[in-house]
This record gives sequence, C-alpha cells and structure tokens, in this order.
Amino acid sequence: TAGITQAPTSQILAAGRSMTLRCTQDMRHNAMYWYRQDLGLGLRLIHYSNTAGTTGKGEVPDGYSVSRANTDDFPLTLASAVPSQTSVYFCASSGTSTGELFFGEGSRLTVL
Amino acid sequence: GQNIDQPTEMTATEGAIVQINCTYQTSGFNGLFWYQQHAGEAPTFLSYNVLDGLEEKGRFSSFLSRSKGYSYLLLKELQMKDSASYLCAALDSNYQLIWGAGTKLIIKP
Repeated sequence: TAGITQAPTSQILAAGRSMTLRCTQDMRHNAMYWYRQDLGLGLRLIHYSNTAGTTGKGEVPDGYSVSRANTDDFPLTLASAVPSQTSVYFCASSGTSTGELFFGEGSRLTVL
Repeated sequence: GQNIDQPTEMTATEGAIVQINCTYQTSGFNGLFWYQQHAGEAPTFLSYNVLDGLEEKGRFSSFLSRSKGYSYLLLKELQMKDSASYLCAALDSNYQLIWGAGTKLIIKP
C-alpha cells in the first residue's frame, strides 16, 4: 500500500515563481493536511481539509492555497514563492478526528 | 495561548531507559499523541492517550495526567535505532493538533 505520495521530493525555486506540491493518498481518508517543518519549530499547519470539497486555514496560511476536488488529492500551491517559504513540507491524512496522522515522505523546497 | 513544551535534546546510553517529558496548555483537550521522526524522514505514530494513566506498547510506554497537563514517553532497552526526534502533540477542543518542537534523542553505545 502506497499510503501518501508527495511530489516532488525536493525542488529549488526562484523567488517569484509559482509551484505546486502534489499529495495523493489511497487510504480513502476524509481529512488531509499540509504542514511545514522548520528547524527548532514544531510542525506548523498551513491548510487542512476535513472532507472533499472543503478546505480551511491553519496557523500559517499566507502565501499558500489548496484545493480538494476529490478524496485522494490535496495539492498545495505557492503563487509567488519567497525565501521564507524555504522549508520541508509534509502532507498528512487521517481517517478520524482523533486518529493517527499518516505522513508523506516530505517535499524539501528551497526558494532562492 | 496554546503551547507544548518538551526538552530540545536528550542523551542516553544503549540498553538504558529514558523518559521524555511533555507539558501542554491547550484550549480544551481531546488527547495527546507521540510521534517518532528519524532524521530526513516523515513522522510516524507511536501512541495516543486520552485517559489518565500509562499505556504500554512493547519497549515504549506513554503516560498522561490531564489534571497536570503532562505526558511522558518512556523508552526501555534503548537501541541505536531509537536515535530520532520524538514529537509531542495535543489535540485541542477543535480537534486541531498543537505540536511541540520535538526532542532529539541521541543514543550512545
């Protein structure tokens, strides 16, 4: 079972360019999340979706957008990247509100 | 505000026991999670506590005291592969996870 697949694994991006990080899960989980992880900080929630067709803002949503057209896919878009968006991005899903999170392998993004 | 506190780094010896503490302050509480994260990898689930007490799962145990806003993760018979970061996260009243910064555990032979 693949679980959650993220792409790309890593990317170097020029400031001002747009970028979409892809996330696909095959567990039919309703809830999906995008986190960023920076050294010395906890995982910070960017956006989430409790079910297909709905999305919500997390702790650090500025500069990012998401969509949830179906259960499996939850892409994260940076419309105009800035160096402060250099981070490791994790997509995650959960089957229930108190259930464990299943994480993708992460996407390391460097904005120059 | 909501906050999770855990030590930044701990060192222990192979074969020994280590306890990683976590204190939390959240708006409401719906449980506490522990995750393990090896360097360069994704976090993986270790435990979930919502009731007071100790839950044992092999070499790993997790404890919760709701009245004290306190949890710990106990690792026994440490192995080199246990070298990782351990993330504490509390579920608030809106079922949003509040994450600690993680405790980096270094195991020495």
